[in-house]
Amino acid sequence: AQKITQTQPGMFVQEKEAVTLDCTYDTSDQSYGLFWYKQPSSGEMIFLIYQGSYDEQNATEGRYSLNFQKARKSANLVISASQLGDSAMYFCAMRVRRGNTDKLIFGTGTRLQVFP
Amino acid sequence: SQTIHQWPATLVQPVGSPLSLECTVEGTSNPNLYWYRQAAGRGLQLLFYSVGIGQISSEVPQNLSASRPQDRQFILSSKKLLLSDSGFYLCAWLSVRGTGELFFGEGSRLTVL
Repeated sequence: AQKITQTQPGMFVQEKEAVTLDCTYDTSDQSYGLFWYKQPSSGEMIFLIYQGSYDEQNATEGRYSLNFQKARKSANLVISASQLGDSAMYFCAMRVRRGNTDKLIFGTGTRLQVFP
Repeated sequence: SQTIHQWPATLVQPVGSPLSLECTVEGTSNPNLYWYRQAAGRGLQLLFYSVGIGQISSEVPQNLSASRPQDRQFILSSKKLLLSDSGFYLCAWLSVRGTGELFFGEGSRLTVL
């Protein structure tokens, strides 16, 4: 069964430092997509970055990069040069497509706190 | 451009009362639509999704139901709320372009007392 696991309930990082948020996934599909979302205290869900299973290079979007290790089934999010505004919940998700099914399943999230 | 709206933003309801949360999408046609629930401090749980008018798939047996009366309208309902229905409800539509990410509404925070 498809599953997303985020083992870090909470993480702390000092401003300007880099931080890695872990995500592992389980799927038997050959083609899949992995996503990271940010959820500030306001509750909105903000799309950050995407990695396709066939993409050979790690995805990058500004200060966000995705460390994709296919053999290990991990898709860790790396945030460089952390800012106070990065404090939020972060969710890893995987797109599941089978027949008429097309949906994203989410992990339980990691709460990141950036301190000065 | 595509937008998604859901309402009400906040709701406080007594146990046993009915519920109706509404979601509408603009700027796209025949979208896949989704209802997620986020319990306090928890992840997102997919409740329902719909690939077209009148087509509803339920992910988790529960006290809730969903309907899609129009192409761009998705409604989450309950006849009698339970305490366990409290949470943050998010409607989303799936982009079929680019990476295929979900775009979320603003969310509806439901407290059942």
